[in-house]
Amino acid sequence: DQQVKQNSPSLSVQEGRISILNCDYTNSMFDYFLWYKKYPAEGPTFLISISSIKDKNEDGRFTVFLNKSAKHLSLHIVPSQPGDSAVYFCAAASIYNQGGKLIFGQGTELSVKP
Amino acid sequence: GAVVSQHPSRVICKSGTSVKIECRSLDFQATTMFWYRQFPKQSLMLMATSNEGSKATYEQGVEKDKFLINHASLTLSTLTVTSAHPEDSSFYICSASTVTVSYNEQFFGPGTRLTVL
Repeated sequence: DQQVKQNSPSLSVQEGRISILNCDYTNSMFDYFLWYKKYPAEGPTFLISISSIKDKNEDGRFTVFLNKSAKHLSLHIVPSQPGDSAVYFCAAASIYNQGGKLIFGQGTELSVKP
Repeated sequence: GAVVSQHPSRVICKSGTSVKIECRSLDFQATTMFWYRQFPKQSLMLMATSNEGSKATYEQGVEKDKFLINHASLTLSTLTVTSAHPEDSSFYICSASTVTVSYNEQFFGPGTRLTVL
């Protein structure tokens, strides 16, 4: 049972445009969400997170939106740069679930073309 | 930021042998370490959670006798894949956390690529 889903395995965007990566979840007990960026043969790098008490969190070019009623979150990257090309994972956690272990989505491979 | 290292970065072994992977937190003390595996084009799947000085908690479907985890100190956890088989070939990643309940403080290692021939 996939509790966190990223239905788009890949996304291609032109440099300078907006990249929108989507993530859906099924467990209403999740209260914290994170986005990670991963290059091949490397571990994930934390990007940005959001608590369930908020609906938006912004950090530079990265903004995460959370729609709790739809159990949906998205990561916006504006403007997109070629260096943003990587696999992006969303992850969810619950304070009530074993100390907040992370449940990851399948990842979306972003390609930003010059 | 906090740095987590893994050793080796890549290992190739024969079927039936055991392989040990080390995960170290270099500049902080990790009370909790997590072990994940990732198959190509798939998600990171949590295998087990280990707290320093206690037994690891394994996720459902993960064989504890096959994947031995030791968290002997606040800076080192090891994963030993015993009697490895080709289906164990995967990318193994560890992460370290400074407190047991602060999920936003997990720092990931660079991963270990295991290939079993």
